[in-house]
Amino acid sequence: SQELEQSPQSLIVQEGKNLTINCTSSKTLYGLYWYKQKYGEGLIFLMMLQKGGEEKSHEKITAKLDEKKQQSSLHITASQPSHAGIYLCGPDEGAQKLVFGQGTRLTINP
Amino acid sequence: DAGITQSPRHKVTETGTPVTLRCHQTENHRYMYWYRQDPGHGLRLIHYSYGVKDTDKGEVSDGYSVSRSKTEDFLLTLESATSSQTSVYFCAIRDRGVNSPLHFGNGTRLTVT
Repeated sequence: SQELEQSPQSLIVQEGKNLTINCTSSKTLYGLYWYKQKYGEGLIFLMMLQKGGEEKSHEKITAKLDEKKQQSSLHITASQPSHAGIYLCGPDEGAQKLVFGQGTRLTINP
Repeated sequence: DAGITQSPRHKVTETGTPVTLRCHQTENHRYMYWYRQDPGHGLRLIHYSYGVKDTDKGEVSDGYSVSRSKTEDFLLTLESATSSQTSVYFCAIRDRGVNSPLHFGNGTRLTVT
């Protein structure tokens, strides 16, 4: 099955700073999803990337999928306290099982 | 929010007792999943269903069973709860097998004492 590794596992940034979270796959991805989880709550779908080189943005969050479709990055510009939480990547293998990366815990310091 | 309801939201039970968690959806989605989330392990798939009475195991299925007798309900049962099953359990639904994100419930926090 798909192996996904996220880095860093934990990240603390000053409010207003930019940051990047990476998701690396052991196999070529059919597609990839990014989710965010606020502490104590369920996961919220952020974006889906399907094509090599694809880039999508939502507010101040931009996600990219590399050309080889084995690595994705999530970039947050001018971070805000509302960005705090756990970010998870999950593959769209075209199969029924969906296995996630371990997640990146993001803390924003005022 | 996607129409997913997990019940109960919190439960404390004793080791050795049976426990059933319920996931109810109003979206008529075909696929339903049970995950557990633990510090240091992230989100791990327990079981999933691809239709009524069609289920399959995930990566951490030992000690758990599931049933899906109706499209809208997916039940997770711990036949004899153990302390290692203390966790937060999430249900998720999905419309199609591909090109379709998961939508998650708000979770059930289970404590086994």
